[in-house]
Amino acid sequence: EPEVTQTPSHQVTQMGQEVILRCVPISNHLYFYWYRQILGQKVEFLVSFYNNEISEKSEIFDDQFSVERPDGSNFTLKIRSTKLEDSAMYFCASRGTSGRINEQFFGPGTRLTVL
Amino acid sequence: GDSVTQMEGPVTLSEEAFLTINCTYTATGYPSLFWYVQYPGEGLQLLLKATKADDKGSNKGFEATYRKETTSFHLEKGSVQVSDSAVYFCALSDNNQFYFGTGTSLTVIP
Repeated sequence: EPEVTQTPSHQVTQMGQEVILRCVPISNHLYFYWYRQILGQKVEFLVSFYNNEISEKSEIFDDQFSVERPDGSNFTLKIRSTKLEDSAMYFCASRGTSGRINEQFFGPGTRLTVL
Repeated sequence: GDSVTQMEGPVTLSEEAFLTINCTYTATGYPSLFWYVQYPGEGLQLLLKATKADDKGSNKGFEATYRKETTSFHLEKGSVQVSDSAVYFCALSDNNQFYFGTGTSLTVIP
């Protein structure tokens, strides 16, 4: 069964450094998403992406964040200058355009630790 | 705006006990409803879903019925196992976003 994959599974970085989190969505999906979950808290929406542009973003997704689909398979989240409060689990998700169109498929997540 | 309110935990049950985790939602349209499960150290896994009123989602002995009249999607299992210990998230989708509840931690003791 096709699945969303994410790399790395765990990233440790120093405050102020740039990080890029990578996701490979399901191959025929066209809508892509990033969510984050701070430890012990709920999952929060960051951004949605369709047709090579951001379609929606939350207040959390400020100028430090950017997303890109650099090729036909990868979908990346970049944090330009990490802060301690960026430490969280980051989930990528994708969905298709037919059938049960509301279902998003989630990746296993990348745990980001900012020191 | 759309939102999900979920029963707070943690919940501790003995093996073979009956489980209910309450979830209610607020939505302007006709959302789809989901339960996700997160086992320790892992990501989100879809447990079950329902896309319209009166639909019942079921998987691994868990069930939830989409109740439009009470705007609820309560999760139930008749007999829990130790392996069901995890955090359970209720969520709704209005096409372009998911809205998650705060999660309910379940611990099942032998």
